[in-house]
Amino acid sequence: EMVMTQSPATLSVSPGERATLSCRASQSVGSSLAWYQQKPGQAPRLLIYGASTRATGIPARFSGGGSGTEFTLTISSLQSEDFAVYYCQQYNNWPLFGGGTKVEIK
Amino acid sequence: QVQLVQSGAEVKKPGASVKVSCKASGYIFTNFGISWVRQAPGQGLEWMGWISAYNGNTKYAQKFQGRVTVTTDTSTSTAYMELRGLRSDDTAVYYCVRDLGYFDHWGQGTLVTVSS
Repeated sequence: EMVMTQSPATLSVSPGERATLSCRASQSVGSSLAWYQQKPGQAPRLLIYGASTRATGIPARFSGGGSGTEFTLTISSLQSEDFAVYYCQQYNNWPLFGGGTKVEIK
Repeated sequence: QVQLVQSGAEVKKPGASVKVSCKASGYIFTNFGISWVRQAPGQGLEWMGWISAYNGNTKYAQKFQGRVTVTTDTSTSTAYMELRGLRSDDTAVYYCVRDLGYFDHWGQGTLVTVSS
């Protein structure tokens, strides 16, 4: 059974700093990996698909990397509006989400 | 612009069924699939099932097999998700999403509360 593991569960970062989030798949998903941002009371928003392609309208400070089983989402300089929960999702097989990483203000 | 507009919040008793609708606009409905994703209070995201709006083919997560049915009405560009045998742990926000493998557009969510 496929498992998606995100780490850390919570990341405390100061505004302007760099944040790196990790997502690991228990088996290879190639580049079939997406990242979403969710703020309280809102639906998730697609940030990245194909492991590294930014969705329409997503700022360049968001970047995705990796392939196979190891993936990262990097936010180069955190803005106030970036404090949220981030989820990865594989779609190589039927969709499966990771448990999420909460990015909070340090 | 692409929009997915869902029906309003529901309160149901244990054992009942709920049917949530999702009206799509701003794109050719039959060119894309629709998936349903739910989120229990304070929890993560869980995929439930998918339907091809082109031919009606479906696929369901094993956890929900036999309890969920996803349908579409192409004449109104609307997708539906019916969940039967509701339990308290089905209390969640249910989202419809446009499915390209990844989910590029999301409905606003429908809160379903299961309580006696």
